[in-house]
Amino acid sequence: DTGVSQDPRHKITKRGQNVTFRCDPISEHNRLYWYRQTLGQGPEFLTYFQNEAQLEKSRLLSDRFSAERPKGSFSTLEIQRTEQGDSAMYLCATLVLAGGSSYNEQFFGPGTRLTVL
Amino acid sequence: AQSVTQPDIHITVSEGASLELRCNYSYGATPYLFWYVQSPGQGLQLLLKYFSGDTLVQGIKGFEAEFKRSQSSFNLRKPSVHWSDAAEYFCAVGAWGGDMRFGAGTRLTVKP
Repeated sequence: DTGVSQDPRHKITKRGQNVTFRCDPISEHNRLYWYRQTLGQGPEFLTYFQNEAQLEKSRLLSDRFSAERPKGSFSTLEIQRTEQGDSAMYLCATLVLAGGSSYNEQFFGPGTRLTVL
Repeated sequence: AQSVTQPDIHITVSEGASLELRCNYSYGATPYLFWYVQSPGQGLQLLLKYFSGDTLVQGIKGFEAEFKRSQSSFNLRKPSVHWSDAAEYFCAVGAWGGDMRFGAGTRLTVKP
């Protein structure tokens, strides 16, 4: 257990429905990342936040995807009008970015597995 | 652009044998390099990381990796594999404080 939690762990939905996932970071961690991992592949970067500001979005993040981190603590990832191709594991990772030269590792949550029927 | 190649999709070794998992990266500046392990149904766990300094880095669970700039490689090694090491292994390259790019992974099977 890394201290990063994700909810739900599993989600089954029908095509066209909206889904929302939540990530709760380690409390002092100011950066939060979302990744998507499909079967047989490594995690692919989607987006990340520095506190409440969304600093970068991958082109993988279509208009149907939106992420928020309203108070700089937990984050949500919403997928609207889900498609079968959205079926994947969605991973959240966090780190504390502070001054200094050392790179702080990303701590990963257990992921939310989404199945779109 | 950052990218990582793990040439071996699947490797099988006997318990007690040595292991080497290959990783090649492409990155314009000095890379930050990582190896993660993922067991079925589990999240990613960091095995080791390289930022600078000694090119041979030690990690958890008896793993080590060697950074070779001339070959753009960061191969993971373990002298004696245990059955519990069976998992998926991911190499990743990243920038300081930024996102990471992962390889496609190598699945390790350990024969008794």
